Amino acid sequence: DGGITQSPKYLFRKEGQNVTLSCEQNLNHDAMYWYRQDPGQGLRLIYYSQIVNDFQKGDIAEGYSVSREKKESFPLTVTSAQKNPTAFYLCASRDRYNEQFFGPGTRLTVL
Amino acid sequence: GDSVTQMEGPVTLSEEAFLTINCTYTATGYPSLFWYVQYPGEGLQLLLKATKADDKGSNKGFEATYRKETTSFHLEKGSVQVSDSAVYFCALSDPAFRGSNYKLTFGKGTLLTVNP
Repeated sequence: DGGITQSPKYLFRKEGQNVTLSCEQNLNHDAMYWYRQDPGQGLRLIYYSQIVNDFQKGDIAEGYSVSREKKESFPLTVTSAQKNPTAFYLCASRDRYNEQFFGPGTRLTVL
Repeated sequence: GDSVTQMEGPVTLSEEAFLTINCTYTATGYPSLFWYVQYPGEGLQLLLKATKADDKGSNKGFEATYRKETTSFHLEKGSVQVSDSAVYFCALSDPAFRGSNYKLTFGKGTLLTVNP
């Protein structure tokens, strides 16, 4: 089955720690996206990548970093510089018809 | 920039009631419009979409029509079921928006609860 997987499903972080969220897709899509979801605020774009070895900041990139070394993978690192990282993080990829497909999400909680 | 405004919830209905969730948008160019659904603890699933004016997207009994003159894309269903309980997001993708790279701009979401 083709799709997007995210891991872990739940993640707990102590203040001052960096954590990395995994996103893998086997849909053969070039473009991938990271969104953050907060209650009552919809989804906001953190980073996106149109192709391997290239990525751009979205609307709320501060305190986050990404890499795109493989087409299938687009990991997101939440750094200690992110002041309020507790949120639900969603990864997506886009097909050639410009439809985005979402993973199941990772819920990050700062202790 | 682009923006999406959708009806604030929560919306609570009885089974078999008629559903409308309003959505209006502001966009630079000629966007594609989407409705996504999110069940508790899960990611988003595309419910329906429309790519040009007067197009009607439909899926699972839900419908929405792209109205360029009113910049709207209201979601409707004639008879809701308990299993429709979820959060619904209206979104747009505006390729004409400089540097957009087909990113999605979302509304804040509307929580729908359907009671038996």
